[in-house]
Amino acid sequence: DSGVTQTPKHLITATGQRVTLRCSPRSGDLSVYWYQQSLDQGLQFLIQYYNGEERAKGNILERFSAQQFPDLHSELNLSSLELGDSALYFCASSASPGGGGNEQFFGPGTRLTVL
Amino acid sequence: GQQLNQSPQSMFIQEGEDVSMNCTSSSIFNTWLWYKQDPGEGPVLLIALYKAGELTSNGRLTAQFGITRKDSFLNISASIPSDVGIYFCAGQVRTGTASKLTFGTGTRLQVTL
Repeated sequence: DSGVTQTPKHLITATGQRVTLRCSPRSGDLSVYWYQQSLDQGLQFLIQYYNGEERAKGNILERFSAQQFPDLHSELNLSSLELGDSALYFCASSASPGGGGNEQFFGPGTRLTVL
Repeated sequence: GQQLNQSPQSMFIQEGEDVSMNCTSSSIFNTWLWYKQDPGEGPVLLIALYKAGELTSNGRLTAQFGITRKDSFLNISASIPSDVGIYFCAGQVRTGTASKLTFGTGTRLQVTL
Protein backbone atom coordinates (compact mmCIF):
# COMPACT_ATOMS: atom_id res chain seq x y z
CA ASP A 1 0.00 0.00 0.00
CA SER A 2 1.58 3.26 -1.19
CA GLY A 3 -0.53 5.46 1.07
CA VAL A 4 -2.06 7.26 -1.94
CA THR A 5 -5.81 6.73 -2.23
CA GLN A 6 -8.01 7.23 -5.27
CA THR A 7 -11.76 7.11 -5.74
CA PRO A 8 -13.70 5.74 -7.43
CA LYS A 9 -11.92 2.56 -8.50
CA HIS A 10 -14.15 2.13 -11.55
CA LEU A 11 -16.25 4.63 -13.45
CA ILE A 12 -18.50 3.95 -16.43
CA THR A 13 -20.09 6.85 -18.22
CA ALA A 14 -21.33 7.99 -21.62
CA THR A 15 -19.77 10.21 -24.27
CA GLY A 16 -20.29 13.91 -23.66
CA GLN A 17 -20.50 13.51 -19.89
CA ARG A 18 -18.30 15.01 -17.17
CA VAL A 19 -16.62 13.11 -14.33
CA THR A 20 -14.45 13.94 -11.34
CA LEU A 21 -11.67 11.70 -10.06
CA ARG A 22 -10.38 12.17 -6.55
CA CYS A 23 -6.96 11.61 -5.01
CA SER A 24 -5.61 11.86 -1.47
CA PRO A 25 -1.80 11.99 -1.29
CA ARG A 26 0.40 10.26 1.27
CA SER A 27 0.40 11.99 4.63
CA GLY A 28 2.80 14.93 4.49
CA ASP A 29 3.28 14.92 0.71
CA LEU A 30 2.82 18.34 -0.88
CA SER A 31 2.96 17.37 -4.55
CA VAL A 32 0.26 15.56 -6.48
CA TYR A 33 0.64 14.30 -10.04
CA TRP A 34 -1.92 12.91 -12.48
CA TYR A 35 -1.15 10.32 -15.18
CA GLN A 36 -3.17 8.63 -17.89
CA GLN A 37 -2.41 5.07 -18.96
CA SER A 38 -3.85 3.72 -22.20
CA LEU A 39 -2.84 0.77 -24.33
CA ASP A 40 -1.63 2.84 -27.25
CA GLN A 41 0.01 5.75 -25.39
CA GLY A 42 1.39 4.08 -22.27
CA LEU A 43 1.79 6.09 -19.07
CA GLN A 44 1.55 9.80 -19.83
CA PHE A 45 2.07 12.68 -17.41
CA LEU A 46 -0.86 15.07 -17.30
CA ILE A 47 -0.30 17.69 -14.60
CA GLN A 48 1.40 18.40 -11.27
CA TYR A 49 0.25 20.49 -8.29
CA TYR A 50 2.48 21.55 -5.42
CA ASN A 51 0.88 22.87 -2.25
CA GLY A 52 -2.21 24.03 -4.10
CA GLU A 53 -0.54 25.56 -7.14
CA GLU A 54 -0.03 24.16 -10.61
CA ARG A 55 3.66 23.45 -11.21
CA ALA A 56 4.04 21.39 -14.37
CA LYS A 57 1.90 20.43 -17.32
CA GLY A 58 2.19 17.51 -19.67
CA ASN A 59 -0.10 16.17 -22.35
CA ILE A 60 -3.31 17.33 -20.72
CA LEU A 61 -6.26 18.10 -23.00
CA GLU A 62 -8.13 21.38 -22.65
CA ARG A 63 -11.24 19.37 -21.73
CA PHE A 64 -9.39 18.17 -18.63
CA SER A 65 -8.63 20.25 -15.56
CA ALA A 66 -7.34 19.64 -12.08
CA GLN A 67 -7.00 21.37 -8.75
CA GLN A 68 -5.43 20.77 -5.37
CA PHE A 69 -7.32 21.83 -2.27
CA PRO A 70 -6.01 23.29 1.02
CA ASP A 71 -6.12 19.83 2.63
CA LEU A 72 -3.85 18.73 -0.28
CA HIS A 73 -6.28 16.31 -1.87
CA SER A 74 -6.68 16.72 -5.60
CA GLU A 75 -9.41 16.30 -8.18
CA LEU A 76 -9.11 15.68 -11.90
CA ASN A 77 -12.11 16.83 -13.91
CA LEU A 78 -12.74 15.32 -17.33
CA SER A 79 -15.45 16.89 -19.47
CA SER A 80 -17.06 16.33 -22.88
CA LEU A 81 -15.85 12.77 -22.63
CA GLU A 82 -14.95 10.84 -25.76
CA LEU A 83 -14.47 7.13 -26.33
CA GLY A 84 -10.72 7.69 -26.51
CA ASP A 85 -10.65 9.00 -22.95
CA SER A 86 -11.23 5.47 -21.67
CA ALA A 87 -8.08 4.66 -19.71
CA LEU A 88 -6.58 4.13 -16.29
CA TYR A 89 -5.97 7.39 -14.45
CA PHE A 90 -3.33 7.39 -11.75
CA CYS A 91 -2.52 9.87 -9.08
CA ALA A 92 0.94 9.99 -7.51
CA SER A 93 2.40 12.04 -4.68
CA SER A 94 5.83 13.04 -3.49
CA ALA A 95 7.18 14.85 -0.45
CA SER A 96 8.96 17.59 -2.33
CA PRO A 97 9.84 17.91 -6.00
CA GLY A 98 13.36 19.11 -5.37
CA GLY A 99 16.40 17.09 -4.44
CA GLY A 100 16.70 13.44 -3.49
CA GLY A 101 13.86 11.67 -1.73
CA ASN A 102 11.23 13.13 -4.03
CA GLU A 103 10.21 9.84 -5.53
CA GLN A 104 6.64 9.59 -6.75
CA PHE A 105 4.36 7.00 -5.15
CA PHE A 106 1.32 5.90 -7.13
CA GLY A 107 -2.24 5.23 -6.11
CA PRO A 108 -4.27 2.21 -7.27
CA GLY A 109 -5.86 4.14 -10.13
CA THR A 110 -9.34 4.83 -11.46
CA ARG A 111 -10.45 2.86 -14.50
CA LEU A 112 -12.63 5.08 -16.68
CA THR A 113 -14.80 3.52 -19.35
CA VAL A 114 -16.62 5.83 -21.75
CA LEU A 115 -19.43 4.15 -23.70
CA GLY B 1 3.17 11.65 -25.99
CA GLN B 2 6.84 10.90 -25.42
CA GLN B 3 7.91 7.49 -24.15
CA LEU B 4 11.40 6.24 -23.47
CA ASN B 5 12.77 3.28 -25.45
CA GLN B 6 12.73 0.23 -23.21
CA SER B 7 13.92 -3.23 -24.18
CA PRO B 8 13.18 -6.00 -24.39
CA GLN B 9 9.45 -5.55 -24.86
CA SER B 10 8.76 -8.92 -23.25
CA MET B 11 10.68 -11.82 -21.74
CA PHE B 12 9.87 -15.41 -20.92
CA ILE B 13 12.35 -16.83 -18.45
CA GLN B 14 12.67 -19.78 -16.13
CA GLU B 15 12.63 -19.47 -12.38
CA GLY B 16 16.14 -18.92 -11.07
CA GLU B 17 17.42 -17.13 -14.17
CA ASP B 18 18.79 -13.61 -14.15
CA VAL B 19 17.00 -10.85 -16.08
CA SER B 20 18.30 -7.67 -17.60
CA MET B 21 16.37 -4.80 -19.15
CA ASN B 22 17.36 -1.32 -20.22
CA CYS B 23 16.01 2.06 -21.07
CA THR B 24 17.38 4.76 -23.36
CA SER B 25 16.44 8.33 -24.03
CA SER B 26 17.45 11.18 -26.30
CA SER B 27 17.06 13.53 -23.31
CA ILE B 28 19.03 13.94 -20.10
CA PHE B 29 17.31 13.23 -16.78
CA ASN B 30 18.05 14.27 -13.17
CA THR B 31 16.75 11.00 -11.77
CA TRP B 32 15.99 7.53 -13.09
CA LEU B 33 13.38 5.35 -11.43
CA TRP B 34 12.21 1.80 -11.97
CA TYR B 35 8.64 0.73 -11.26
CA LYS B 36 6.78 -2.61 -11.39
CA GLN B 37 3.11 -2.76 -12.27
CA ASP B 38 0.76 -5.69 -11.75
CA PRO B 39 -2.45 -5.92 -13.82
CA GLY B 40 -5.05 -3.38 -12.70
CA GLU B 41 -2.75 -1.89 -10.07
CA GLY B 42 -0.67 1.23 -9.79
CA PRO B 43 3.08 1.24 -10.46
CA VAL B 44 5.18 0.36 -7.40
CA LEU B 45 8.56 2.02 -6.98
CA LEU B 46 11.47 -0.44 -6.97
CA ILE B 47 14.62 1.67 -7.18
CA ALA B 48 15.54 5.36 -7.55
CA LEU B 49 18.88 6.61 -8.93
CA TYR B 50 20.09 10.18 -8.45
CA LYS B 51 23.61 10.48 -9.85
CA ALA B 52 25.21 9.61 -13.17
CA GLY B 53 27.12 6.35 -12.80
CA GLU B 54 25.29 5.39 -9.59
CA LEU B 55 24.75 1.68 -9.02
CA THR B 56 22.03 0.80 -6.50
CA SER B 57 20.70 -2.50 -5.20
CA ASN B 58 17.43 -3.44 -3.54
CA GLY B 59 17.47 -7.12 -2.63
CA ARG B 60 17.71 -9.09 -5.88
CA LEU B 61 17.37 -5.92 -7.94
CA THR B 62 20.28 -3.85 -9.18
CA ALA B 63 19.98 -0.72 -11.28
CA GLN B 64 22.42 1.78 -12.74
CA PHE B 65 22.16 5.40 -13.84
CA GLY B 66 24.07 5.74 -17.10
CA ILE B 67 27.11 8.02 -17.30
CA THR B 68 25.53 10.05 -20.11
CA ARG B 69 22.35 10.48 -17.98
CA LYS B 70 20.39 9.23 -20.98
CA ASP B 71 20.07 5.57 -20.05
CA SER B 72 19.57 3.10 -17.22
CA PHE B 73 19.42 -0.64 -16.74
CA LEU B 74 17.73 -2.96 -14.26
CA ASN B 75 18.91 -6.46 -13.38
CA ILE B 76 16.90 -9.03 -11.46
CA SER B 77 18.85 -11.96 -10.13
CA ALA B 78 17.51 -15.46 -9.41
CA SER B 79 13.99 -14.67 -10.63
CA ILE B 80 10.98 -16.09 -8.80
CA PRO B 81 7.33 -16.43 -9.92
CA SER B 82 6.24 -13.25 -8.10
CA ASP B 83 8.60 -11.23 -10.33
CA VAL B 84 5.95 -11.55 -13.05
CA GLY B 85 4.62 -8.17 -14.14
CA ILE B 86 5.42 -5.15 -16.26
CA TYR B 87 8.55 -3.17 -15.44
CA PHE B 88 8.76 0.50 -16.35
CA CYS B 89 11.69 2.84 -16.33
CA ALA B 90 11.01 6.52 -15.78
CA GLY B 91 13.18 9.56 -16.25
CA GLN B 92 12.56 12.59 -14.07
CA VAL B 93 13.28 16.23 -14.83
CA ARG B 94 13.10 18.69 -11.94
CA THR B 95 13.13 22.48 -12.16
CA GLY B 96 12.56 24.07 -8.78
CA THR B 97 9.29 22.67 -7.47
CA ALA B 98 8.21 21.44 -10.91
CA SER B 99 8.75 17.79 -11.72
CA LYS B 100 7.85 15.54 -14.65
CA LEU B 101 8.21 11.79 -15.15
CA THR B 102 8.55 10.32 -18.63
CA PHE B 103 7.92 6.59 -18.71
CA GLY B 104 9.38 3.85 -20.85
CA THR B 105 7.32 1.54 -23.01
CA GLY B 106 7.56 -1.27 -20.44
CA THR B 107 9.04 -4.77 -20.27
CA ARG B 108 6.59 -7.60 -19.65
CA LEU B 109 8.24 -10.34 -17.62
CA GLN B 110 6.85 -13.84 -17.42
CA VAL B 111 8.50 -16.48 -15.25
CA THR B 112 7.95 -20.18 -15.77
CA LEU B 113 8.62 -22.81 -13.16
